[in-house]
Amino acid sequence: AQSVAQPEDQVNVAEGNPLTVKCTYSVSGNPYLFWYVQYPNRGLQFLLKYITGDNLVKGSYGFEAEFNKSQTSFHLKKPSALVSDSALYFCAVRDTGRRALTFGSGTRLQVQP
Amino acid sequence: DAGITQSPRHKVTETGTPVTLRCHQTENHRYMYWYRQDPGHGLRLIHYSYGVKDTDKGEVSDGYSVSRSKTEDFLLTLESATSSQTSVYFCAIGGRGDETQYFGPGTRLLVL
Repeated sequence: AQSVAQPEDQVNVAEGNPLTVKCTYSVSGNPYLFWYVQYPNRGLQFLLKYITGDNLVKGSYGFEAEFNKSQTSFHLKKPSALVSDSALYFCAVRDTGRRALTFGSGTRLQVQP
Repeated sequence: DAGITQSPRHKVTETGTPVTLRCHQTENHRYMYWYRQDPGHGLRLIHYSYGVKDTDKGEVSDGYSVSRSKTEDFLLTLESATSSQTSVYFCAIGGRGDETQYFGPGTRLLVL
């Protein structure tokens, strides 16, 4: 069975500093990996995905993620954090059969002014 | 929200009553999903559909049933609501090939 781990419940970073939100996965076969963001009382918004190709994936709002097959990781990054980036972030991997997503437990990002 | 609506958006109900949540899409996607979101668990798959009248169970399907009589609508029914089903429910569409899965705005359900 596939799984996703987000080891940090919360990440705190100062505005203007780089941020990293960690994600590791376990899946048989080639992984389809996703990052979503959830703002308070809102649905999930798609940020970026890795299907194949370059290990560095660029997404919405200046976010990017680095796929590392040997470490089975897909960390989310941004060079300079904004207060408006404060939200709940979810990493997910897609089930190749059902095409449903298996999610991590989420990481709350707090960006301090 | 990629042409996905959910109704109702908020509902309070009592233990033992049936509840039906509706997901409606205008994107003509074949695949549709119901997830529930609970603190510390992320989102977990309840049921999914891969076509009209074609549905299957997810990891947390006990106490839930679904129906899909037409492409655009996917209904989730709690046959007899329990307090453990208090949650936020999200519908999603997409997932074929390299498709991204997009989520609806959610339904917040409170079972008293």
